[in-house]
Amino acid sequence: GQQLNQSPQSMFIQEGEDVSMNCTSSSIFNTWLWYKQDPGEGPVLLIALYKAGELTSNGRLTAQFGITRKDSFLNISASIPSDVGIYFCAGLIKGAQKLVFGQGTRLTINP
Amino acid sequence: DSGVTQTPKHLITATGQRVTLRCSPRSGDLSVYWYQQSLDQGLQFLIQYYNGEERAKGNILERFSAQQFPDLHSELNLSSLELGDSALYFCASSVGGTLGTDTQYFGPGTRLTVL
Repeated sequence: GQQLNQSPQSMFIQEGEDVSMNCTSSSIFNTWLWYKQDPGEGPVLLIALYKAGELTSNGRLTAQFGITRKDSFLNISASIPSDVGIYFCAGLIKGAQKLVFGQGTRLTINP
Repeated sequence: DSGVTQTPKHLITATGQRVTLRCSPRSGDLSVYWYQQSLDQGLQFLIQYYNGEERAKGNILERFSAQQFPDLHSELNLSSLELGDSALYFCASSVGGTLGTDTQYFGPGTRLTVL
C-alpha cells in the first residue's frame, strides 16, 4: 500500500530557531496536507497544497508540494513555545480516494 | 473547540466485545470522517460519509462499520474487539464531500482501551 515517510520523527530545538520537516513517498499524490496535533486534541489543518511546485505560507509556516508529486516539506520560522506538538503530513490519491498519513514529527522547544 | 463532538471520551472494554462511538459534526457540515490513531499504526483514515452515504473508504476492518443518520450524526461500530484495536478514534467533519479538498475539523477523540 501507499506509505509516507515523515522525518525527522522528533526534534528538540531552541526557541527562535527555524524548523524543517518533510514527507516522501514512492507514490504520486494529488494533494498534500499538513496538520498539527496538540496533546489531548485532534489534528488541526495548517496548510493544504494542490499543485506540484506550489509554495504556500500560513504565518510563520511555509509548505511546498514537491515537483515530482512524491514529497512535501514544512518549514516553521522563528519557533515559539506554542509550536510544540506533533506535525503530520497527509497525501491524497484522488482517483483512489485514499488519504495516507505520515508517522508524525514531534516538536519540542526549549525556552 | 472545533465544534465536532464525540462521545464517550473514554471507553474501556474487554476483548470480543462490541462498542459504538458517536460523533456529531459541526452545524452545517455534511461530511463525517472517522480516523484511528494508534502508537504503532499512526493516524489512519477509516471511512467517510457524506449526507448519509458512504463516500470514501480507507483502512477500515470488516469488524468495523459506520453509518451516518438523517440528522447527520455518525456512529462507528467496532465488534469482536481485539487488544490491537486499542487506540484514539477521531471523528472529523467538513462542509463538502471532497476528500482532501474540504477542510476537516477534528473532534477531541474517543480513547478506546481493550483489555
